[in-house]
Amino acid sequence: QTVVTQEPSLTVSPGGTVTLTCASSTGAVTSGYYPNWFQQKPGQAPRALIYSTSNKHSWTPARFSGSLLGGKAALTLSGVQPEDEAEYYCLLYYGGARVFGGGTKLTVL
Amino acid sequence: QVQLVQSGAEVKKPGASVKVSCKASGYTFTSYGISWVRQAPGQGLEWMGWISAYNGNTNYAQKLQGRVTMTTDTSTSTAYMELRSLRSDDTAVYYCAREGPPGRFDYWGQGTLVTVSS
Repeated sequence: QTVVTQEPSLTVSPGGTVTLTCASSTGAVTSGYYPNWFQQKPGQAPRALIYSTSNKHSWTPARFSGSLLGGKAALTLSGVQPEDEAEYYCLLYYGGARVFGGGTKLTVL
Repeated sequence: QVQLVQSGAEVKKPGASVKVSCKASGYTFTSYGISWVRQAPGQGLEWMGWISAYNGNTNYAQKLQGRVTMTTDTSTSTAYMELRSLRSDDTAVYYCAREGPPGRFDYWGQGTLVTVSS
């Protein structure tokens, strides 16, 4: 059973920078896992932010960026805004299967 | 503009089946795949499976193998997810999401609440 692990919760001040990570139980995350990142606010459908490690969608704010960091996928928010308070999920590809991480609740305080 | 519009909420009894639809518009349906994702109340996202709208190839999550079937109707640009032998822990919001190659999730449906209760 493959497990994808994220920080359960993080807190950041408005205007600050925070990095969320996504680890695989199988070892180091590489670009071949095509990391995707999603934002979900209460009562809403998830919204895609990043695909294939670092590619942004046309609607993704510039302050969001994706990378690989220390064997994990990472999502960095620079210049955090109050509206960035949400749950963030990563997803990794394992051949034909996809697995979501457990999510990180980001609080902006 | 790309849209995925899902069918309405369902209430089912344990042991029954449910079939959720996801009607796509604003793009060439057969050029993308559709993944289905569910979210139990207060829980995280769970990937259920994927279907190619081009040729109908599927990949299902191991834990749902044998209970789930994903299909598409290219004449109406609609994807379907059927889940059988429903249990109370299948109560969740079910989402469809468009997938392009490689590894690109983008647009999501609005979600369909399926409640399993006796």
